Amino acid sequence: DVKVTQSSRYLVKRTGEKVFLECVQDMDHENMFWYRQDPGLGLRLIYFSYDVKMKEKGDIPEGYSVSREKKERFSLILESASTNQTSMYLCASRKSGNTIYFGEGSWLTVV
Amino acid sequence: GIQVEQSPPDLILQEGANSTLRCNFSDSVNNLQWFHQNPWGQLINLFYIPSGTKQNGRLSATTVATERYSLLYISSSQTTDSGVYFCAVSHYGGATNKLIFGTGTLLAVQP
Repeated sequence: DVKVTQSSRYLVKRTGEKVFLECVQDMDHENMFWYRQDPGLGLRLIYFSYDVKMKEKGDIPEGYSVSREKKERFSLILESASTNQTSMYLCASRKSGNTIYFGEGSWLTVV
Repeated sequence: GIQVEQSPPDLILQEGANSTLRCNFSDSVNNLQWFHQNPWGQLINLFYIPSGTKQNGRLSATTVATERYSLLYISSSQTTDSGVYFCAVSHYGGATNKLIFGTGTLLAVQP
């Protein structure tokens, strides 16, 4: 059975903190994604990666960075968290040309 | 970039009723998927359907790629069908692995 695991479901962080959101997939997919979801705005792509150490900016990369040192792991980094980054973050993975699979989501609150 | 519009934005049904959700897209697509997001935030794959018709139990979907729309049919709705339904596409000429999401249809099924 396919599995995308996000390490933290609920986080509360302070403004200015560095935040790491971790995602692991066990399907040997080459493509991995980070989305954020906000009411009324749907899902918006932050970054994606199509191979180890490769990354591409999505639609809203500002304030975020990513790391993909191993094929199964894709990390989202908020260098200095701000209140407007309070959101639900969704990780996904996909083999090229096939169905995308999502993790359960990470709810981040920045105070 | 490609635009994805879903209608209706909100829908309230009585248990047992049927419904049709629509997804319009503004460019040719090579991938289209339907998802159900449950009240806990988990995105569940429903269909991978860039063209044609598929059925899975009470759900079915049809994509008419030449006319740039897809329909999701829910028959004999149940309260567990409640949640948000998203369609997502990737398009020819764009980053092949980048899915663009519509803003969703919020479905509430009342007992």
